[in-house]
Amino acid sequence: AQSVTQLGSHVSVSEGALVLLRCNYSSSVPPYLFWYVQYPNQGLQLLLKYTTGATLVKGINGFEAEFKKSETSFHLTKPSAHMSDAAEYFCAVSDHGGSNYKLTFGKGTLLTVNP
Amino acid sequence: DAGITQSPRHKVTETGTPVTLRCHQTENHRYMYWYRQDPGHGLRLIHYSYGVKDTDKGEVSDGYSVSRSKTEDFLLTLESATSSQTSVYFCAIRDRVDEKLFFGSGTQLSVL
Repeated sequence: AQSVTQLGSHVSVSEGALVLLRCNYSSSVPPYLFWYVQYPNQGLQLLLKYTTGATLVKGINGFEAEFKKSETSFHLTKPSAHMSDAAEYFCAVSDHGGSNYKLTFGKGTLLTVNP
Repeated sequence: DAGITQSPRHKVTETGTPVTLRCHQTENHRYMYWYRQDPGHGLRLIHYSYGVKDTDKGEVSDGYSVSRSKTEDFLLTLESATSSQTSVYFCAIRDRVDEKLFFGSGTQLSVL
């Protein structure tokens, strides 16, 4: 069974500060990992994903994440927060084998950006 | 826009009544999913489909059923709605090439 743990349900940063959202996963197979963002009253949008290859992946809006197998982590970072980054962020892991493809989400981290 | 629409967008119903939510896609994707989103729980998978008439349960499937009689439509039914099923429901389709999910705009369901 696969699972995702997001450390911190709420993270608050100042505009221009580093954003770090933490995600640890558990998977019985080599994982596919994702970060999604949800703005108020909207569905989720993909920020970035790791499937295979380079462990540092870049996404939209200046976000990036690094897959660290030894730490079972996939933390999301952005060097400088903007007000428009305020949203809820979800880490997800997939069981990508065969027809039983399922995506399991963490409980989410609400990011607040202070002026 | 990924060509996925959910209907209705909002619904208020009474305990014990049946409710059906519809997810429609225009992308011809094989995989479709129903999630519910609740504060403190994130998104939890209810049911998913990997083809016409091929469905399977997710982690919170009790009280829900699904049907997929054609590729473009995936229906979620609450046979007898309960207050615990008050939630926001999201449908998603999976792009198998890109390995990402596209989400609909959600259905806000209130069971009184």
